[in-house]
Amino acid sequence: AQSVSQHNHHVILSEAASLELGCNYSYGGTVNLFWYVQYPGQHLQLLLKYFSGDPLVKGIKGFEAEFIKSKFSFNLRKPSVQWSDTAEYFCAVNLHNTDKLIFGTGTRLQVFP
Amino acid sequence: DVKVTQSSRYLVKRTGEKVFLECVQDMDHENMFWYRQDPGLGLRLIYFSYDVKMKEKGDIPEGYSVSREKKERFSLILESASTNQTSMYLCASSPSVTGSNTEAFFGQGTRLTVV
Repeated sequence: AQSVSQHNHHVILSEAASLELGCNYSYGGTVNLFWYVQYPGQHLQLLLKYFSGDPLVKGIKGFEAEFIKSKFSFNLRKPSVQWSDTAEYFCAVNLHNTDKLIFGTGTRLQVFP
Repeated sequence: DVKVTQSSRYLVKRTGEKVFLECVQDMDHENMFWYRQDPGLGLRLIYFSYDVKMKEKGDIPEGYSVSREKKERFSLILESASTNQTSMYLCASSPSVTGSNTEAFFGQGTRLTVV
């Protein structure tokens, strides 16, 4: 069955540290890839997405992600985190021959000043 | 702005009750989804619908059913609520994404407690 894995369940960083959150999916076909963020008490919102073209995708608030097809990965990065980045981050995959959207288990990020 | 509205933010129901969770979207999206969100388990797909009266089971459909009589409305039904269905329920909608550059939009969630 198709699945999305996020290996980091809980990450704790100090402000200005660099961030990388892992995401791997298990599906051999064409996929669309997403990172969503859920700030405390708020609804999920899109951080960035990959559909085609340049595998390095830039999103809001200085986040970026790189699609590496050979590794089935779509890792999220930010060079310098801020306290306001404290949130839960979800990787998601849309299987190209359906509209079904599958999420990973999420990574809780805590950033301390 | 796209709006996905869930009828309740918080619900408390008794074991065995029939529970309806309602979701409405205002952007004429083809797809609508119901997920439940539990700590450490992320978002798990219960059901999704790709058109009026059309539905497909997700990963955890047991104990749930859905109804989509109108394009803008997608209802999740718990036929006989149980305590293990205590969770945060999230509704989402999206245009038909296959081959197109788009995204899913989420409601605020309904926190359901079954006692």
